[in-house]
Order: sequence, then structure tokens, then C-alpha cells
Amino acid sequence: AQKVTQAQTEISVVEKEDVTLDCVYETRDTTYYLFWYKQPPSGELVFLIRRNSFDEQNEISGRYSWNFQKSTSSFNFTITASQVVDSAVYFCALANAGGTSYGKLTFGQGTILTVHP
Amino acid sequence: ETGVTQTPRHLVMGMTNKKSLKCEQHLGHNAMYWYKQSAKKPLELMFVYSLEERVENNSVPSRFSPECPNSSHLFLHLHTLQPEDSALYLCASSPMGGGEKLFFGSGTQLSVL
Repeated sequence: AQKVTQAQTEISVVEKEDVTLDCVYETRDTTYYLFWYKQPPSGELVFLIRRNSFDEQNEISGRYSWNFQKSTSSFNFTITASQVVDSAVYFCALANAGGTSYGKLTFGQGTILTVHP
Repeated sequence: ETGVTQTPRHLVMGMTNKKSLKCEQHLGHNAMYWYKQSAKKPLELMFVYSLEERVENNSVPSRFSPECPNSSHLFLHLHTLQPEDSALYLCASSPMGGGEKLFFGSGTQLSVL
């Protein structure tokens, strides 16, 4: 069975602080995908990143960076110099990479991030 | 605009009512999904349609009945719901249905009285 754990239920920071959202996953699959989604107050989940289990290179996209460590089954997300617009619920998710996975994502419980001005 | 549109945005219904949620995607995708988001619980996959055929039914009670008349439209028919069914119902689509990223709608916030 697959499982995704986001231990931080809520995080509160002041604007311009750096913040890291933790994600730990469990899977028996050898090939899989890891995702981060952002859910702003409007409700729709917005895709941020997908990482293949074979690719352990860390990635940076503007103020966002992701640290994938297969040895510890973690896929952490860091926002540098946070802004009020970053306030949202962030979800980490896991999917099998097999042909019959049909986009079946296993989500963590989400981390509510609040950035104060 | 994500390309996935859900209506209505909010719905209040009694336990004896019958209602339907609608989802439409304008992205040319072949797979569509219903997810349920309850307070303090992870998102739960309910149904998956690939090329208009249901390929996943995640042990969802029969009071939820999905319908996919074509690759652009997905419905969730509701009848005799329970208060614990109150949640945000999210529709999503993806190109093929095999681990690629999902595109989500804004959801329908359902309250069952």
C-alpha cells in the first residue's frame, strides 16, 4: 500500500522568511512519480512539480525548490523569501508509474501555509 | 483558468434529494477523475474514466453514480446522501491516465443537511 505523510499540519511564517514543507512517502513500487500541488482559497489544485523516482536531481524554479532523497523516502519543498500569495494548502502526492496506474494519486493530508505580511 | 470547469460551485441538498455535479474539460484529455476532499482527510480518489470507460471504482457507495457520456464531460449523480458526504468534490483530467499530472477544477462544495 502507498502512503504519503505530511507531518506539518499548519505552518505560519512572516513574509520573506524561507519555509520548508516536509513530505515522506511509502511505496513498494520501484518506479513512481512524486508530485506537489498547491490549493489556493479558490479551491482548484494547481500542479507545481512532478518527479520521477529515477531522477534524484534537486530542482529549482524561481523561489521554489525541491529536495528528493530516495534514501529517506522524502520529497521536501522549500519556498524561499515567502510572499503572502504563497498562502495556500500544499499537497504532496505519489503515483505508480505503471501503465495501469490511471493517474491514481495518493495524497498526503496537506500542509496549510499562512504567510503574514 | 485551468481548462476544467465544475458546476455548481456550491450545493446544499437534503438527504432525500437527487442532484448531479457536472465537470467539463477543454483540454482534449482522455482520462477524467472524481476526487473527494473532506475536512482533515487526504484527497480520496473515487472514480476514474479512461476513454469514457470506468477503470477505477474506489469502493464508493452506490449513492454516488458517475457518468461519462464523452471524453469532455463527467457527471456525478447523487441520491439519498448522508451528512458525512458533505465535502469538496474535485474533478480532474489528464492526457492518458498513467501517472502524468492532473488538471483540477475548482470543485463543488457540497453540504448535505
